[in-house]
Amino acid sequence: AQKVTQAQTEISVVEKEDVTLDCVYETRDTTYYLFWYKQPPSGELVFLIRRNSFDEQNEISGRYSWNFQKSTSSFNFTITASQVVDSAVYFCALIGSGNTGFQKLVFGTGTRLLVSP
Amino acid sequence: DAGVIQSPRHEVTEMGQEVTLRCKPISGHNSLFWYRQTMMRGLELLIYFNNNVPIDDSGMPEDRFSAKMPNASFSTLKIQPSEPRDSAVYFCASSLIYSHEQFFGPGTRLTVL
Repeated sequence: AQKVTQAQTEISVVEKEDVTLDCVYETRDTTYYLFWYKQPPSGELVFLIRRNSFDEQNEISGRYSWNFQKSTSSFNFTITASQVVDSAVYFCALIGSGNTGFQKLVFGTGTRLLVSP
Repeated sequence: DAGVIQSPRHEVTEMGQEVTLRCKPISGHNSLFWYRQTMMRGLELLIYFNNNVPIDDSGMPEDRFSAKMPNASFSTLKIQPSEPRDSAVYFCASSLIYSHEQFFGPGTRLTVL
């Protein structure tokens, strides 16, 4: 079975603080992909990043960075110098090759980030 | 290019009424997924289709829910009769078959009074 755990239910920070959102996953697949999505108050799911299980390089995109560590089954997301517009719910998700070939996307429960001015 | 299109965006109905949610996948995509998002259960996969054929409906909560995909460009999710606990946001997503990347629609917010 596949599982994604986001232990942090809600995080509150003040603007310009750095914040890290944790994601721990479980899978028996050797080939899998990990994702982060942002869900702003408007409700849509915004794709942020995809990482495959063979690529452990960390990635940086502007103020966003991601740390993928297979040894700890973690795929953490850091926002540097947070801004009010970063306030949203962030979901980590996993899709594995499994028996059905990358068809079942499993989401974590989400972390609500509140950035105050 | 148009993304996944869902209609209506918002639906308010009374308990016992039939509700039909609609989805138009991205042209050329041959897999379609229906998800439901609730506070209690988070985002969960309800059902998915490959080449218009339902493959796994194990996430469908009960017989009141049904989904169809009559052709490659249209799918419906129907709830009959609706109940207040069905209130949720329903997302449709599409992808190329066996691709790891799913593209999500904007969602339909359903409220059952």
